[in-house]
Order: sequence, then structure tokens, then C-alpha cells
Amino acid sequence: DIQLTQSPSSLSASVGDRITITCRTSQSVAASLNWFQYKPGKAPELLIYTASTLQDGVPTRFSGSGSGTEFTLTITSVHPDDFAIYFCQQSHSTPLTFGGGTKVEIK
Amino acid sequence: VQLVESGGAVVQPGRSLRLSCAASGFTFNFHGMHWVRQAPGKGLEWVAALSADGTKGNYADSVKGRLTISRDNSQKKLHLEMNSLRPEDTAMYHCAKWSSMAGTFDYWGPGTLVTVSS
Repeated sequence: DIQLTQSPSSLSASVGDRITITCRTSQSVAASLNWFQYKPGKAPELLIYTASTLQDGVPTRFSGSGSGTEFTLTITSVHPDDFAIYFCQQSHSTPLTFGGGTKVEIK
Repeated sequence: VQLVESGGAVVQPGRSLRLSCAASGFTFNFHGMHWVRQAPGKGLEWVAALSADGTKGNYADSVKGRLTISRDNSQKKLHLEMNSLRPEDTAMYHCAKWSSMAGTFDYWGPGTLVTVSS
């Protein structure tokens, strides 16, 4: 199984900050890496697919980059609604696997 | 698009449970569907997948032989039959719609909680 390691596991940020979350995979997944936002009690939401494609309706302050084994999710200017858990997921091979999540909290 | 899970409960080890996911807002029989779970304090774990026509299923090794995914396309519902439940099956269970275009889950439900405890 492909292991996904996210860093950091949590971070504190202020509204307006730029934040970057990293996802490293144990073997190459080419560009088959996706990012989700999760607020407990609600449905996870797809933000970015195939490493860098913004899902319809997702604000452009979210962006993704990377290929192979290292990927990043960037929020250019954090909004109050962005405080949540973010996780990566690979679709390169089965079983589909997920990163451990990054909790973004208000500083 | 809306996905709403139901059926979660507190059950004893060894017992059975059936989860359901009601889908709306899209052409249900065009899309593969999945179950994904998150145990307390742990990361997400893919559980099972089923093709759009319901003929091809795949399972995580951890649930193979105990959990069965099925669907009723006429009712727009996805199910997860859970047998021989173990404490390690305790989790929030989400159903998720697969997007062939995106190559991932483009919509999820909020989940239903299964607790396996004596």
C-alpha cells in the first residue's frame, strides 16, 4: 500500500496568512494526488484533484502543486471559513490511501 | 448532489449492521460508489467500492469477507452490510461518489457512526 505522510500535522494561522501543507508519498503516484477539506460532522469536500486542478466552486486562494512523491496545498490568504482539517489522498493504485490530515487552527 | 448515510448504531462484537446511503442530485447509476471510514483519532481508511452497475466490488483487506457493499439503482441507494463486527470497526462511515473525470471522490456524505462495544 502507498503511504501518505502529511506535514505539519497541525498549524496555527491568522486570517490573511499564507499557509502550505505538504504530502509525501512512499512511492510515485505521478499526478494522482487529491486534496480535501474536512470539518467534523460535515461531509469532506474535494478541493484539488490530479495535484493541481481546482474543483469547480473552490475559491482560487487554494492551489496545489507537485508530482511524483511530493505535493503541496497552499492557501494564499486564509479566510475564517478555512479553519478545518485538510487531507491528501492518492488515486494512483489500490487500495486508495489517505494522509493523516493537517488541522489548521486559528492563532 | 446530496449523500446521506444512515444505519449507524452501537452494537456488540460479533453482531451485524446494515448501513445505507441515499443519493440525490445526480444520475446515480452512472457512477461508482465507495465507503470510507475514520476511526476515532485515526486517519481515513478506504473500505469498499462498487461499480456503477453493481457487478464489480472491491474491498480493503481489513474488511474482506465480513463487509459487503451493494446498491439499488432503482432506489438510488448504496448499502454496506457489516457482519462479524469487531471493536476496530468502530468509526464514522462515509459514502462517497466517484468521479471518473477527477479520478477521485467528488462528493461525500457527512457520515454515520458505528460503535462496536460490549
